[in-house]
Amino acid sequence: GDSVTQTEGLVTLTEGLPVMLNCTYQSTYSPFLFWYVQHLNEAPKLLLKSFTDNKRPEHQGFHATLHKSSSSFHLQKSSAQLSDSALYYCASITGNTGKLIFGLGTTLQVQP
Amino acid sequence: NSKVIQTPRYLVKGQGQKAKMRCIPEKGHPVVFWYQQNKNNEFKFLINFQNQEVLQQIDMTEKRFSAECPSNSPCSLEIQSSEAGDSALYLCASRGDFSGNTLYFGEGSRLIVV
Repeated sequence: GDSVTQTEGLVTLTEGLPVMLNCTYQSTYSPFLFWYVQHLNEAPKLLLKSFTDNKRPEHQGFHATLHKSSSSFHLQKSSAQLSDSALYYCASITGNTGKLIFGLGTTLQVQP
Repeated sequence: NSKVIQTPRYLVKGQGQKAKMRCIPEKGHPVVFWYQQNKNNEFKFLINFQNQEVLQQIDMTEKRFSAECPSNSPCSLEIQSSEAGDSALYLCASRGDFSGNTLYFGEGSRLIVV
């Protein structure tokens, strides 16, 4: 069945270093991919969404590129900030019901 | 601030008690989802609606959970007989008609079953 895989449960890095959070997917249909960010005791919020025309979405310094050949949508940022510490979820929309399938999430901890 | 409004933010129930949560979707959004986020932060899809009709639901939802999205009233999710394993954050989300539309989440109702 359709699925989303995030290989890292926890990523810890120092402020200023680059961020890369992995996301791969399996989908029967051509999917939409999303990255959501959830800060402590807050709602998950959309960070990025894939485009159908292969443009690279960017928001708050984060970007991700949908690679259909490798079924990936990795999240990247050139320089981590302390405020980036949060839970990050990769998700895909499958089929025609629009059900969002989530990965298990990656906790990003940015240290001074 | 989230435009999907969920109440209550917290509820504490004893095992066997009913637990009811409500959700007002973002204005103009006909599609509503309920997810359960467990203590490991994993998301489990429970049920989704388009207007008042159920699109999909999982087996657990069919048996112990009841949910509805009546017109002109908040959507609701009710656990008929709470179990310890139901302790979780219940997230409601809504979106527009198109399946590729972004899903917007509320802040959730945290259920603790003692």
